[in-house]
Amino acid sequence: GAVVSQHPSWVICKSGTSVKIECRSLDFQATTMFWYRQFPKQSLMLMATSNEGSKATYEQGVEKDKFLINHASLTLSTLTVTSAHPEDSSFYICSARDSTQYYNSPLHFGNGTRLTVT
Amino acid sequence: AQKVTQAQTEISVVEKEDVTLDCVYETRDTTYYLFWYKQPPSGELVFLIRRNSFDEQNEISGRYSWNFQKSTSSFNFTITASQVVDSAVYFCALIVNYGGSQGNLIFGKGTKLSVKP
Repeated sequence: GAVVSQHPSWVICKSGTSVKIECRSLDFQATTMFWYRQFPKQSLMLMATSNEGSKATYEQGVEKDKFLINHASLTLSTLTVTSAHPEDSSFYICSARDSTQYYNSPLHFGNGTRLTVT
Repeated sequence: AQKVTQAQTEISVVEKEDVTLDCVYETRDTTYYLFWYKQPPSGELVFLIRRNSFDEQNEISGRYSWNFQKSTSSFNFTITASQVVDSAVYFCALIVNYGGSQGNLIFGKGTKLSVKP
């Protein structure tokens, strides 16, 4: 089955530092990847759509300069939380769609990254 | 606007009970796709089912069954003879077909199901 690997699973960082989260599709190519954020007991909110070789599309209210997304290859997208603050603490989940599949096919999700900013 | 509503925040049942998780969606699109995902405590989302707007046939997969009714814009999920391993948060989600959509999922807030032995 299609596997998405997300790393790290959890990270603790100090306020003001930057954290990079990697999302890899292991056995398929993904032109499009999505980054979601999940607060405790809440739903998944789409942060941005990452497209290989082009700029990410951010949802309204998401700071582009704070959440840097790079999709340099068909199997890797990264999310960098710059100058992290405690309010950025959350569960971040990436997802990917097989490039050979249509837009309505299921997304495959990574295991998520628990970010805690102290 | 597209929206998914899961009115039940938390449900607790005893093992072997049947349980239905409700999902109501809103969209003006005539072509759309509905999904259910399961999120166990470990955090990963597991795909359960996809249903397109033109197929109202109900589906059964083992202890799981889904009831899709366009007339009420609902896509409910029933677990028969629930088991402790069913304990998780279940999300209903929607993909619509409109210009500019890259197929991102629009999620409901999820229903946390606790199955007690």
